[in-house]
Amino acid sequence: DSGVTQTPKHLITATGQRVTLRCSPRSGDLSVYWYQQSLDQGLQFLIQYYNGEERAKGNILERFSAQQFPDLHSELNLSSLELGDSALYFCASSERDRVINEQFFGPGTRLTVL
Amino acid sequence: AQTVTQSQPEMSVQEAETVTLSCTYDTSESDYYLFWYKQPPSRQMILVIRQEAYKQQNATENRFSVNFQKAAKSFSLKISDSQLGDAAMYFCAYGPPTDKLIFGTGTRLQVFP
Repeated sequence: DSGVTQTPKHLITATGQRVTLRCSPRSGDLSVYWYQQSLDQGLQFLIQYYNGEERAKGNILERFSAQQFPDLHSELNLSSLELGDSALYFCASSERDRVINEQFFGPGTRLTVL
Repeated sequence: AQTVTQSQPEMSVQEAETVTLSCTYDTSESDYYLFWYKQPPSRQMILVIRQEAYKQQNATENRFSVNFQKAAKSFSLKISDSQLGDAAMYFCAYGPPTDKLIFGTGTRLQVFP
C-alpha cells in the first residue's frame, strides 16, 4: 500500500458526460501528479500541483481540469467525455524533495466511456 | 525533449533464470533520477528500483539490479532468479528533481515454470 488513495476505483459513463476523480496523497506529501494510461500504453503526464498551486502541465486536454484543495487532496475533472478518454487515471504524490524524486502511485481509477 | 525508449515490447524467461530489460533515454540535464516500475495485472504501479544520476554505483534491490551507463544514456534492469510473481509490465521512467516522470512504453515480461 503506497498510502495514496483514489476514488472511485471504477467509473462507467456515457459520452458527453462529466466525471470527477479524487486523490488523497500520502500524509505530508505536498505534490500531486496526475497521469493517464490508455490501453497497453505507458503513462502520460497530465498535470502537477504543489501545495494548492498548479506547477506543471503536460498534454492535458482543455476539457480536463484539476485542482488541489487546502487539505491537499486533488480532483481531476473530465468533461464532454469521448470514447478515447477511456483509460486508467493515476494519481501520484511526492514530498517534492530535491534530493530524491520518488513518486508514490495510487491504485488508479479505471474510466470507461460508452 | 526528454524521451524514454524501451525497445523490447515482450520478453520471456524461465523460472530461476536471469533476464535483462533494456531502456535508453535522452536528456540534456545532468541531475535526474531513473526508475523501474512494475505493473502487475492489478495495474498498481510498484517501484522496483531507483538510480540517482550522480551516483556511479549501480543500484541493487535484492534480486533486482540495474546497469546504469550515463554516457550511453542506458539504464537496463536485471532480474535474477526469476519468479512467477515477476510476470508483469515493466516501465522505465526518467525524472528530474521535483518534476514529472516520463515513462517508456513498457516491456511485458512472461515467466515460464
